[in-house]
This record gives sequence, structure tokens and C-alpha cells, in this order.
Amino acid sequence: GAVVSQHPSWVICKSGTSVKIECRSLDFQATTMFWYRQFPKQSLMLMATSNEGSKATYEQGVEKDKFLINHASLTLSTLTVTSAHPEDSSFYICSARTGLAGGHEQYFGPGTRLTVT
Amino acid sequence: GQNIDQPTEMTATEGAIVQINCTYQTSGFNGLFWYQQHAGEAPTFLSYNVLDGLEEKGRFSSFLSRSKGYSYLLLKELQMKDSASYLCAGLAYAGNNRKLIWGLGTSLAVNP
Repeated sequence: GAVVSQHPSWVICKSGTSVKIECRSLDFQATTMFWYRQFPKQSLMLMATSNEGSKATYEQGVEKDKFLINHASLTLSTLTVTSAHPEDSSFYICSARTGLAGGHEQYFGPGTRLTVT
Repeated sequence: GQNIDQPTEMTATEGAIVQINCTYQTSGFNGLFWYQQHAGEAPTFLSYNVLDGLEEKGRFSSFLSRSKGYSYLLLKELQMKDSASYLCAGLAYAGNNRKLIWGLGTSLAVNP
């Protein structure tokens, strides 16, 4: 149980284009989803927290107009990197948390490797 | 402030025991997680401690001391596949929001 999928697993795009990454909880309802970015040999950096049906809460320094997050249902959240640049190349990972009382554990998706050329 | 500290790198020998330490300073603390992450993959859950003491799960054990702001992950009978990064994360509450505060990870190399 508690499986999170991401699509695509990797993507290459040209500078200036937009890329959408999907995160799905396959066997549970995720009231909260998190989006992380990770550069090589560095730890996870939380970008934003999204609760189903409401606007995402972005961490300091993360541009909300550049990284659009939509959490329209209890099983799907999307991250759109708009006008991507080479410096946006990174490993993007989503995680999901159930709304069950005491449910603190985050279940991670397999990640999406974005390369912007 | 919110801070998680853990060693950057560790090396151990196959079959041995290794302890990875983590100290934390998080307001609204409500537990500590350990995750394992292999290169190029997403983190996988290892343990969650909210009460003081040792939790054992097979070859892996995790310890928490809330009064000391300290945790460790103990790996026994090391195998080559245990070579990975081990991430310590504190669960912090801020009002109605709760999020994980991540350490930078400890890269463990298991040698034959």
C-alpha cells in the first residue's frame, strides 16, 4: 500500500518551454502533497506544500509564478515548470501524506529528472 | 530556528555495524524520521520515532532522545546494498501546518 507515482520519470525540454509533472497517490487519498527539488549530492529542498482544493504554500525563495502547483483532487497534484531554463534542471520529487489522524509519514514518488537544454 | 545536523560521509565494512548520528533543533517537534536514498532514486521510509527509546526493525534500529535533541540510526550486518544516503528529518509543527525539516544526508559507503 501507499504507492505514489510520478510521470514522466524523465524529461528533456528546450529553454523557454513549460513542463508538467504529475504526482498520483495510487491506493490512498492524499490530502497533502509536497514538491521537492534535489540537486546532485544535495539534500531534499522543499518547494511547496499543497492541500487538496486550496492554494499551495510556497517556501521562501521559490517563485510561485514559475512553479505552478495544482492539487485538484485527493489523488493528483501537478507541478508545471514554466519558461524553463537550464538552471531548473534538477530531480523533482513529490510526496504524499494521508489525512488520517496521526499520519505523519510521507510517501515519495520515484522522482522526475528534468533536463533543460 | 530549525536545524538538523548529521555527518556528511561515513565508511564501513561489509558485515559490520554502523551508527549514524543526528542532532536536531526544531520548534514544534513531533518526531523524527530516517529515510534511505540510493543515488538517482527517491527516498524510502526507514523509521519514525516520536517517543524516547530504541525502535528495532530487522537489521535497522533507530533511537531518539527528545531531551537531548538526538537520534541515531543503527545498521547491523552491513551489506553492499546498504551503500546509500541516509536522511534524518524532524517533523515540525507550525500552527496547523506540519512539515519535515531535512538534514543534508549522510552518504554511507560499505566496502567489501
